[in-house]
Amino acid sequence: AQSVAQPEDQVNVAEGNPLTVKCTYSVSGNPYLFWYVQYPNRGLQFLLKYITGDNLVKGSYGFEAEFNKSQTSFHLKKPSALVSDSALYFCAVRVPWGGSQGNLIFGKGTKLSVKP
Amino acid sequence: ETGVTQSPTHLIKTRGQQVTLRCSSQSGHNTVSWYQQALGQGPQFIFQYYREEENGRGNFPPRFSGLQFPNYSSELNVNALELDDSALYLCASSPGTGGGDTQYFGPGTRLTVL
Repeated sequence: AQSVAQPEDQVNVAEGNPLTVKCTYSVSGNPYLFWYVQYPNRGLQFLLKYITGDNLVKGSYGFEAEFNKSQTSFHLKKPSALVSDSALYFCAVRVPWGGSQGNLIFGKGTKLSVKP
Repeated sequence: ETGVTQSPTHLIKTRGQQVTLRCSSQSGHNTVSWYQQALGQGPQFIFQYYREEENGRGNFPPRFSGLQFPNYSSELNVNALELDDSALYLCASSPGTGGGDTQYFGPGTRLTVL
């Protein structure tokens, strides 16, 4: 079965330090990968996606993610964290075939806390 | 450009009742997907509508049903509400059903079932 794992429930980072939020996936074939951010009592905001091509993807608000096929990972990174980055981050995978092509499969989320 | 909007923002119902949630898709988008996000969990796919037809369904019972209208707005209907239906319901629109098409989410409807 297809699945997404975010192994850390929470990541704590000091402002100005680099941050990494981890994501691994288990699907057959080549998936499409996404990162979303959710602020309290809000919907999900799209950050970036990997479809094909360069393994390093750049997205909104200075975030980037690296696709690693051999490790089946898609970790989210940012060189210098801001307090305003504190939120809940979701990794998602889409399998572009089968009977439910619209299906985004989400991880459980990682809470990022950036301290001043 | 108007983003995805959902109504109502909050809703309180009792067990056994029926509820209808509404979603307006982003301009230019013809595909709407619905997700249920329980507290502390990632969103779970309910179903997707493309050009007024259901285009895929997750593991939800038939009492979860939907509609899409000619202007691509959509409704989610839930019959015979259960306590476990309490969740944030998210609607997402996209320009198509392609695997690489980004889904843009609305702010959600918080449903509480008492």
